[in-house]
Amino acid sequence: GEDVEQSLFLSVREGDSSVINCTYTDSSSTYLYWYKQEPGAGLQLLTYIFSNMDMKQDQRLTVLLNKKDKHLSLRIADTQTGDSAIYFCAEIPPSGYSTLTFGKGTMLLVSP
Amino acid sequence: DADVTQTPRNRITKTGKRIMLECSQTKGHDRMYWYRQDPGLGLRLIYYSFDVKDINKGEISDGYSVSRQAQAKFSLSLESAIPNQTALYFCATSDPGTSGPPWGEQFFGPGTRLTVL
Repeated sequence: GEDVEQSLFLSVREGDSSVINCTYTDSSSTYLYWYKQEPGAGLQLLTYIFSNMDMKQDQRLTVLLNKKDKHLSLRIADTQTGDSAIYFCAEIPPSGYSTLTFGKGTMLLVSP
Repeated sequence: DADVTQTPRNRITKTGKRIMLECSQTKGHDRMYWYRQDPGLGLRLIYYSFDVKDINKGEISDGYSVSRQAQAKFSLSLESAIPNQTALYFCATSDPGTSGPPWGEQFFGPGTRLTVL
């Protein structure tokens, strides 16, 4: 079955770059997503990448997709204390009747 | 106003009690979901509903039941709560038929923190 793996914790200093990694198993996934959960809140979609893309950049965020290795990464440039949150990787197969499969989440702690 | 609301936001109850968590949405979405979040375990899907007449079990449905009262309302019940159901519960909605890409995007409520003593 589908599985999505992430490391559980990352600590960086303010101003550094953060890289959060994810591996997935379903090679038919259409979209791959990064959700952000701030303390005390629900998840919000941060960014996504379509499966036929290798890279997507959105301001400070860069998403890299390696389909051969089924590896997805999220790079946050110039990380700020406000970026401290839990980041979830998620995938969805192309069937219209599928649901998202989430990873366990990576807690990013940004220290001043 | 929030598009997806959950009530209550916090609840403390005792083992064996029946508990209902409610979710309402104003997004007009057909699909609704219930998840629980536990530290180190991420989000796990409990139940989901693709329309008012459709209910499906998720990864961890044992000990839970749901009711889809209307397009806008999806309730989660714990018939006899037990301590290992202590968790953060999230409701979410989606509508791939009307949303632009990414069509799998889900919109989450703020969560209900449930403690079972």
